[in-house]
Amino acid sequence: DQQVKQNSPSLSVQEGRISILNCDYTNSMFDYFLWYKKYPAEGPTFLISISSIKDKNEDGRFTVFLNKSAKHLSLHIVPSQPGDSAVYFCAASARGNSGYALNFGKGTSLLVTP
Amino acid sequence: KAGVTQTPRYLIKTRGQQVTLSCSPISGHRSVSWYQQTPGQGLQFLFEYFSETQRNKGNFPGRFSGRQFSNSRSEMNVSTLELGDSALYLCASSLGQGLRYTFGSGTRLTVV
Repeated sequence: DQQVKQNSPSLSVQEGRISILNCDYTNSMFDYFLWYKKYPAEGPTFLISISSIKDKNEDGRFTVFLNKSAKHLSLHIVPSQPGDSAVYFCAASARGNSGYALNFGKGTSLLVTP
Repeated sequence: KAGVTQTPRYLIKTRGQQVTLSCSPISGHRSVSWYQQTPGQGLQFLFEYFSETQRNKGNFPGRFSGRQFSNSRSEMNVSTLELGDSALYLCASSLGQGLRYTFGSGTRLTVV
């Protein structure tokens, strides 16, 4: 059962505009959330994370928003650049004593057009 | 600083065979995790090792196993391969305290 869902398989945005990627989760025990970016033939690269004690985290052009009551998070990229074209994965984890496991969504393919 | 190295990059095996994949983490990283990526299921957690001990295991059959050596290098083994095991297998390492894993480029396994 998919506990992390990215309902948009793809997204196309014009260069300079805002890209908004969405992610929903079902497990209320998740308390740490991450976004990874993946280019073809490469492993995922960490982008930004947020703890459940926060509702927003910002890093340059990337901002992640967390709405715990809705079990929803989103990644905003402003302004979008052609180099941002990649597959973006949302991931979530419930920290515990038995080590860490990331639960990934199936990804959203972002295309930024000039 | 060298990244996470996975070998081999590509592998073709026949149904019923077994396969061993290797992962060398970033120097100093003690936690190594393995993930399977398929088009239909996305990235799925296989297992995580820390200081040679398996700390967590995903929902995969016992045909999937792994181990970690004293130098933090890790191997995963899949026995009695099935066509459905065809996937990109990704290894990730971290210092062990957080979840900011650094991933390798993966091993593309094709079972024919």
